Amino acid sequence: QKEVEQDPGPLSVPEGAIVSLNCTYSNSAFQYFMWYRQYSRKGPELLMYTYSSGNKEDGRFTAQVDKSSKYISLFIRDSQPSDSATYLCAMSGRAAGNKLTFGGGTRVLVKP
Amino acid sequence: GAVVSQHPSWVICKSGTSVKIECRSLDFQATTMFWYRQFPKQSLMLMATSNEGSKATYEQGVEKDKFLINHASLTLSTLTVTSAHPEDSSFYICSARDVVTNEKLFFGSGTQLSVL
Repeated sequence: QKEVEQDPGPLSVPEGAIVSLNCTYSNSAFQYFMWYRQYSRKGPELLMYTYSSGNKEDGRFTAQVDKSSKYISLFIRDSQPSDSATYLCAMSGRAAGNKLTFGGGTRVLVKP
Repeated sequence: GAVVSQHPSWVICKSGTSVKIECRSLDFQATTMFWYRQFPKQSLMLMATSNEGSKATYEQGVEKDKFLINHASLTLSTLTVTSAHPEDSSFYICSARDVVTNEKLFFGSGTQLSVL
């Protein structure tokens, strides 16, 4: 079993819909949780960064972390075709060796 | 967000030659940089962790003599693929950890290596 599980998709939604992404993990030492967006043949771009449990909102993006369930989510409101990309969850923690562990990524397609 | 510059963005080379990829943090200092490899439609695979002024730490299965890493300053790390072979063809991405936050990781734009 992988340390971080993420549905590969593709997840196809119409423009304007809410995109819902999530990851589950098994290592309770993870404390820092991140979401990255990666366009084809480009480096990942940091979208959201959260520490421990809770919610964080930034524009159209909302990240949620539930450490008790070992479950994190990313919501994208009012999705646009330009949001079409692969979204990677990632997490780390000092007790986990400080290395960033990635999910496999979810491919998202927003259709106009 | 912070900027990490990676060059070149793509390179084609002959089998047996060496290729150097540069990774620079432009507006922050990075004590630690990471090198990843990514195959099509797959997630990033960590190759090695590079610490400024010390030897890199390689992940299991990554040949340190083939993938030479140098982290000479707080803003520059290089990856040299030595004696490249077609199976080394891949997308290589570097990332840098911000000294101040120590947890946020910023990525370069990646280098597509094709070995003929």
